[in-house]
Amino acid sequence: NAGVTQTPKFQVLKTGQSMTLQCAQDMNHEYMSWYRQDPGMGLRLIHYSVGAGITDQGEVPNGYNVSRSTTEDFPLRLLSAAPSQTSVYFCASSYSWVRGREGYTFGSGTRLTVV
Amino acid sequence: AQSVAQPEDQVNVAEGNPLTVKCTYSVSGNPYLFWYVQYPNRGLQFLLKYITGDNLVKGSYGFEAEFNKSQTSFHLKKPSALVSDSALYFCAVRDMEPNDYKLSFGAGTTVTVRA
Repeated sequence: NAGVTQTPKFQVLKTGQSMTLQCAQDMNHEYMSWYRQDPGMGLRLIHYSVGAGITDQGEVPNGYNVSRSTTEDFPLRLLSAAPSQTSVYFCASSYSWVRGREGYTFGSGTRLTVV
Repeated sequence: AQSVAQPEDQVNVAEGNPLTVKCTYSVSGNPYLFWYVQYPNRGLQFLLKYITGDNLVKGSYGFEAEFNKSQTSFHLKKPSALVSDSALYFCAVRDMEPNDYKLSFGAGTTVTVRA
């Protein structure tokens, strides 16, 4: 009964480095998304996916890439880390629109610091 | 476009007193509305939702919320607050009409319950 699993929990990067934040869910959810949480700004949508092979941009996509090769996994890639990407990142998933009356299931988050 | 406003950054109450966290929303169609709670260094946890039906929705941990369509509000309430209710609370909205799954979140309200 793992739900949504995010790794790593903490990461420190140097400016210009790249890395991938992992997200996996075992609930057969069609919809997966990435949010970043910054103080006083709530959660802002970075990218989302409505199924394997389908991704789209959210509010703040610049500097991030995603892919969805399987239903279970939705990794977030930082191409060239910048201090402005210091944040807490959350992955969330849910069932399809037909069953989408449920809310999201969130991972426990990745705290990223870019120095 | 859909959006959520939480007009109070912080709410402070004494244990045993009623707790109210305010939320107003904007959607072009009809809303799905959600409340989530975040404890320190944790992910977001689902509290309750409004989809359709009764305007008063009951959720986890004794919380309830009242949907008011004319005022476009969905305030979270608890009759008698506990110190353990101290956390960050997020309101979220999804417009029923578009065929997507995106949730828009408010900036969050920090609740502090003093003993």
